[in-house]
Amino acid sequence: AQSVTQLDSQVPVFEEAPVELRCNYSSSVSVYLFWYVQYPNQGLQLLLKYLSGSTLVESINGFEAEFNKSQTSFHLRKPSVHISDTAEYFCAVTPGIGQGGKLIFGQGTELSVKP
Amino acid sequence: EAGVVQSPRYKIIEKKQPVAFWCNPISGHNTLYWYRQNLGQGPELLIRYENEEAVDDSQLPKDRFSAERLKGVDSTLKIQPAELGDSAVYLCASSSRDSAYEQYFGPGTRLTVT
Repeated sequence: AQSVTQLDSQVPVFEEAPVELRCNYSSSVSVYLFWYVQYPNQGLQLLLKYLSGSTLVESINGFEAEFNKSQTSFHLRKPSVHISDTAEYFCAVTPGIGQGGKLIFGQGTELSVKP
Repeated sequence: EAGVVQSPRYKIIEKKQPVAFWCNPISGHNTLYWYRQNLGQGPELLIRYENEEAVDDSQLPKDRFSAERLKGVDSTLKIQPAELGDSAVYLCASSSRDSAYEQYFGPGTRLTVT
């Protein structure tokens, strides 16, 4: 069965510093990978996704994630964070084609950006 | 475009009482999902609908939970009777046929069972 592990439950960082939120998954089949973000008192929003093609995917607000099949990882990075990036970040996997939109989420990483 | 609407936002009930949650998905989205999110955890899928058909309810505790999406639009999730362990945030999400993997989430209903 597929599973997702987010290695850090909390990541405190200062504004303008780089950040990496780690995500590893386990699966015996091809997967699609996602990062969702949940701002305080809001619903989850899709941040970026990997379905196929280039292993490096980017979001409109400066985040990027790289799919590494050999290491079964999909780490999220940003070279310089802002206060407004403070949120909970969830990595998710869906077990490939034919599973509809079923998503399996990790436990979440709370990113706290301090001035 | 209106997002996914859920009500109520908060609910406090005593154990053994019934409770219901309502969700209205984004217009035109044929797939609707109910998730449960326990404190400090990621969402876990309870049930997925394609139009009015429940295509994946393997994680729904059927002894006390039920759901319906009668006209393939809005949906109701019910718990009867509620237990202390049901305290969680219940999330509704929807997606379109063309983008099944892009789910749009509502703000959730925070249930507290006392």
